Amino acid sequence: EPEVTQTPSHQVTQMGQEVILRCVPISNHLYFYWYRQILGQKVEFLVSFYNNEISEKSEIFDDQFSVERPDGSNFTLKIRSTKLEDSAMYFCASRSTGWQFFGPGTRLTVL
Amino acid sequence: GDSVTQMEGPVTLSEEAFLTINCTYTATGYPSLFWYVQYPGEGLQLLLKATKADDKGSNKGFEATYRKETTSFHLEKGSVQVSDSAVYFCALSDGANTGNQFYFGTGTSLTVIP
Repeated sequence: EPEVTQTPSHQVTQMGQEVILRCVPISNHLYFYWYRQILGQKVEFLVSFYNNEISEKSEIFDDQFSVERPDGSNFTLKIRSTKLEDSAMYFCASRSTGWQFFGPGTRLTVL
Repeated sequence: GDSVTQMEGPVTLSEEAFLTINCTYTATGYPSLFWYVQYPGEGLQLLLKATKADDKGSNKGFEATYRKETTSFHLEKGSVQVSDSAVYFCALSDGANTGNQFYFGTGTSLTVIP
């Protein structure tokens, strides 16, 4: 069964450093998403991406965040200068015409 | 705006007990409703869904009925097992929104004890 994959599973970084979280969506999907889940809180939408551009983004997705589909398979989330409050689980999702399939998540810890 | 309100946890039940996790929603359009499950250390897995009023989603013994009149989508299971211990998230996707983003509840942690 096709699935969304994410790497790494856990990333530890120092405050102020740049991180790139990677996702490989399901191959025939066209819509891509990033969500985050701060420990003990709800899953929050960050951004959606379609046709090589951002289609929607939340207030959380400020100038420190960017997304990219550098090739035909990867979908990345970059945080330019990490803050302590960026520590969370980050989920990638993708869909074609139906519901979204979620990846296993990357746990980001900012020290 | 769109939102989901979910029953606070944690919930602890004995094996074979009846489970209900309440979920209500607010949406401007005609949303699809979902329950996702997150097992320890894993990602979000779709448990069941319903795309229109009065639809019943079901999977692995879990059920939820889309009730438009009460704007609810409560999750139920008649007899829980230890393996059902997980965090359960209610979510909606409003097709009227560009990109069909999901709105999640806060999650309800379920622990089933033998």
